[in-house]
Amino acid sequence: QVTLRESGPALVKPTQTLTLTCTFSGFSLSTSGMCVSWVRQPPGKALEWLALIDWDDDKYYSTSLKTRLTISKDTSKNQVVLTMTNMDPVDTATYYCGGGSSWYSDYWGQGTLVTVSS
Amino acid sequence: EIVMMQSPATLSVSPGERATLSCRASQSVSSNLAWYQQKPGQAPRLLIYGASTRATGIPARFSGSGSGTEFTLTISSLQSEDFAVYYCQQYNNWPPFTFGPGTKVDIK
Repeated sequence: QVTLRESGPALVKPTQTLTLTCTFSGFSLSTSGMCVSWVRQPPGKALEWLALIDWDDDKYYSTSLKTRLTISKDTSKNQVVLTMTNMDPVDTATYYCGGGSSWYSDYWGQGTLVTVSS
Repeated sequence: EIVMMQSPATLSVSPGERATLSCRASQSVSSNLAWYQQKPGQAPRLLIYGASTRATGIPARFSGSGSGTEFTLTISSLQSEDFAVYYCQQYNNWPPFTFGPGTKVDIK
């Protein structure tokens, strides 16, 4: 059974750096073909793809956010970490991690709401 | 960067009726397209990948078709649990793996 769970702060201040962790089970990111993505969704709005890391440690980023994003993995802990710098109120959203054996996500975490406010 | 468009924005359908949702890409994505269902307060759920392959556990009333730039998700007979927002996502030209803006299917 595959599960993913996002964790991180519920509230961050403007200009701070957000660090989110995706902890997963049921698959290994050292297995060829496996990927973990981050996607966010502002309240009442559509999904926005942010970043992806694959089994080979290749990393892909949103073109509009790539200067602010860093994705990394700790295969031994079954975790993927996303950092986003210089947070702004417009970054308020539910952040999801997803995983699977391709560039789309077969499995998703329940999401974590991050509010950016002073 | 590929732009994904979905139509209509909202589709009002009666239970038991057929629903047809469209997704268009600004350039060809071959068959590298996925469809997701999202209900309020829940994470997205993968329905279709490869434009037409149902994900594990997805009922046969959901079907996907198309290639290149034009795609369709069809729900043959809407059940009460199918009222949700549906998103398409391309994963052919990356980054980014862009999502469409979504189609909300609500009760007529």
